Amino acid sequence: EAGVTQSPTHLIKTRGQQATLRCSPISGHTSVYWYQQALGLGLQFLLWYDEGEERNRGNFPPRFSGRQFPNYSSELNVNALELEDSALYLCASSRTGYGYTFGSGTRLTVV
Amino acid sequence: TQLLEQSPQFLSIQEGENLTVYCNSSSVFSSLQWYRQEPGEGPVLLVTVVTGGEVKKLKRLTFQFGDARKDSSLHITAAQTGDTGLYLCAGRKTSYDKVIFGPGTSLSVIP
Repeated sequence: EAGVTQSPTHLIKTRGQQATLRCSPISGHTSVYWYQQALGLGLQFLLWYDEGEERNRGNFPPRFSGRQFPNYSSELNVNALELEDSALYLCASSRTGYGYTFGSGTRLTVV
Repeated sequence: TQLLEQSPQFLSIQEGENLTVYCNSSSVFSSLQWYRQEPGEGPVLLVTVVTGGEVKKLKRLTFQFGDARKDSSLHITAAQTGDTGLYLCAGRKTSYDKVIFGPGTSLSVIP
C-alpha cells in the first residue's frame, strides 16, 4: 500500500511569492490534514479536509488556504510568503477517528 | 497555551537504560496517540489508547492512558540507539475532532 506522498520535498521561494504544496493520501482515506512544523514550535494544526470540504482550520491567517480534490488529494497554498513561513509542512491522512499516517513533508524555505 | 504538555523536553540516556516520558493535560481526551519522528521525516504512529487506565505494549514500549483520560505515559525498557527520536503525544477530544500535538520529548540513546 502506497503511503502518503507529498511534493515537492523541498521548495525555496522569495518573500512575497506564493507556494503550492501537494499531498496524495493513502487509498481509502478521505480525510487530509495539514500541519506546520517550524523549528522549536512543534506541530501546529493548519487545515483539515474531508470529502472535499474544509472541516476545521487552525489559528493561521487567511493567506494559508487549500482545497481537496474529488480523488481526495489536496493542495496547500500560501500567499504573500513571509520569512517566518519557513517550516516543514506535513500532510497526514486517516479514516475518520483513526490515527494519522504522515507524509515525509515539504521543506519550505522563504528567503 | 499548550493543551498538551510533555516532559521531559530533552532526554539523553545510555543504551540499556529504562526511561519514562509523560504527556499531561487539563483537558479530557477521547483518545491519545503516540508518534515517533526522526529528523526530516513525518511522525510515525506508534499506538492509540482510548480507554481510561488502558495499557498497551509494543515490544519494549509500554503506553498507559490515565484513568481520567487527561494524561499518558510512555515507558521504554532497555533503550536501544534505534529508539532515538522525537516522541510526540497527540490527542483528540472527540472522534470527529482534529488531533492536537504536544511539543514532544527529544530522546537520544547513546551507545
